[in-house]
Amino acid sequence: GDSVTQMEGPVTLSEEACLTINCTYTATGYPSLFWYVQYPGEGLQLLLKATKADDKGSNKGFEATYRKETTSFHLEKGSVQVSDSAVYFCALSDIGSGGSNYKLTFGKGTLLTVNP
Amino acid sequence: GAGVSQSPRYKVAKRGQDVALRCDPISGHVSLFWYQQALGQGPEFLTYFQNEAQLDKSGLPSDRFFAERPEGSVSTLKIQRTQQEDSAVYLCASSSVRGSDTQYFGPGTRLTVL
Repeated sequence: GDSVTQMEGPVTLSEEACLTINCTYTATGYPSLFWYVQYPGEGLQLLLKATKADDKGSNKGFEATYRKETTSFHLEKGSVQVSDSAVYFCALSDIGSGGSNYKLTFGKGTLLTVNP
Repeated sequence: GAGVSQSPRYKVAKRGQDVALRCDPISGHVSLFWYQQALGQGPEFLTYFQNEAQLDKSGLPSDRFFAERPEGSVSTLKIQRTQQEDSAVYLCASSSVRGSDTQYFGPGTRLTVL
């Protein structure tokens, strides 16, 4: 079955440091890939996505490239801010029955804390 | 516009009680999903609706769990005879059209079973 493995945290960085959170996946079909973020006390929000190989998703200074050859979708940011402190989830959505993308399969999440 | 809403936000139940969790998806969204998120873990799929049809319930952990969406809009997740292992955050998500792969999540209902 489908699965997502992401770097275990917690990750603690100083403001303006570089961030990489590794994510690899296994899937039987041709999945779409996502990063979701969960800020303290809030619900899951879509951060970025990529729907096919070599696509790059980007948002709020974060980037991730869909690498089919290495089955990876690592999240990167060149300079983190205190406001980036949150839990980050890597996820995939694979073609389900009837030809519709549907359920998401998530990694366990990585807690990022950015100190001033 | 309004996002996905869930109620109640917090629920405490005694073991053996039945609970009902409500999800109001974004207006017009065809697809609706329920996920269960245990403490310190990623969300795990429970069930999926397309309009009023429940197309996948493979993630429901036992026959104590039941979900419905009778008019293709609001959905209710019901857990009968709650157990301590049911304690988790229950997340609802909706997406706009069949085939869409961007899901929008509600804030979740935190269920604590004593």
